[in-house]
Amino acid sequence: DTGVSQDPRHKITKRGQNVTFRCDPISEHNRLYWYRQTLGQGPEFLTYFQNEAQLEKSRLLSDRFSAERPKGSFSTLEIQRTEQGDSAMYLCASSLDRGSFDEQYFGPGTRLTVT
Amino acid sequence: AQSVTQLGSHVSVSEGALVLLRCNYSSSVPPYLFWYVQYPNQGLQLLLKYTSAATLVKGINGFEAEFKKSETSFHLTKPSAHMSDAAEYFCAVSDWTGTASKLTFGTGTRLQVTL
Repeated sequence: DTGVSQDPRHKITKRGQNVTFRCDPISEHNRLYWYRQTLGQGPEFLTYFQNEAQLEKSRLLSDRFSAERPKGSFSTLEIQRTEQGDSAMYLCASSLDRGSFDEQYFGPGTRLTVT
Repeated sequence: AQSVTQLGSHVSVSEGALVLLRCNYSSSVPPYLFWYVQYPNQGLQLLLKYTSAATLVKGINGFEAEFKKSETSFHLTKPSAHMSDAAEYFCAVSDWTGTASKLTFGTGTRLQVTL
């Protein structure tokens, strides 16, 4: 068990550029979550996958954001036309399907800075 | 919707002193509650979880938390602080939507440990 991994760890981009982040969950975990954490705040839920199906999306996820989880394994989060307000830590978490109880394991995050 | 409130954004204790980090929750159903720790530029690590099996929950690194329904609290304690405990601590409640178990986090408490 190597834990949840995320790539890249840091990304600096200019406003208007597109960026894509990758998350590799723990291998047997079929649930995958994306959260966003801004400075001084706790993480906020963005979206959720069960296997390859995206089942939940937060209203925080504007149409510039898109997430995929092909084949129910790794996931990508893409932000198009980045804005300075997108600067944050993007965290991925995975868990086993145990009904309403969910023990989520987090990756190290990708810190995005939009200049 | 469920929510948590963490009282005190910063807590400073001396090494060897008691650590007490406060968390109050709001939930219309019996909650699942979690404490996570975050070290600088890292993801979140699960310290402990409450799943209604026992009101006193023991976690890693000597931390424990007590669920008090009458006070709607889930405070985190450690009898003797170590320098290595300096980090940001987040309380979270799980919000089951029927398909996803979204975590709602508090704003965090930064623990400083002094000599």
